[in-house]
Amino acid sequence: GIQVEQSPPDLILQEGANSTLRCNFSDSVNNLQWFHQNPWGQLINLFYIPSGTKQNGRLSATTVATERYSLLYISSSQTTDSGVYFCAGEYGGATNKLIFGTGTLLAVQP
Amino acid sequence: DAGITQSPRYKITETGRQVTLMCHQTWSHSYMFWYRQDLGHGLRLIYYSAAADITDKGEVPDGYVVSRSKTENFPLTLESATRSQTSVYFCASSVMREQYFGPGTRLTVT
Repeated sequence: GIQVEQSPPDLILQEGANSTLRCNFSDSVNNLQWFHQNPWGQLINLFYIPSGTKQNGRLSATTVATERYSLLYISSSQTTDSGVYFCAGEYGGATNKLIFGTGTLLAVQP
Repeated sequence: DAGITQSPRYKITETGRQVTLMCHQTWSHSYMFWYRQDLGHGLRLIYYSAAADITDKGEVPDGYVVSRSKTENFPLTLESATRSQTSVYFCASSVMREQYFGPGTRLTVT
């Protein structure tokens, strides 16, 4: 089937800690993206990462498409990193349709 | 640079009423999408559009109608609102496969 699964569902960190979020996706899903939903509800595109590794400041993402998983690394976490992190992948051919995982809720404490 | 806007931001309506949620983007992106976000489900695709006058169903289209007569606008109509349609609705547009989201509309059906 078409599936995207994220782990862990919840994560609490102290400011300054590092973390790794995981996304597993089924064979019919490709072209992973990572999003951050801040506590005010706004969804921000972090990475479009169909394969390989990308870095943006303290955040980086790696997708190993052949093994159907993607990882999001957050280093030296800050309270502003709090929120929900979603991964999503394309399905249904060249339609840009996304199926989302259920997210990882991250709380960074000062 | 307005990007993508949604209106209204908050709406309370009664069961059986027709409601239209508006989405407007200033980027001239070809693809546009409507999602709903519910606790425990993440985001689910309702409808999408590849271009003006081209629309198609997503995962959860029942009870919704869309139209797209102009590239920049993609309204979503609930023809006869039900309590199960209480949700937060997000509009998105995409370029080069990356999706960008509007601020969301919180809809309550009483």
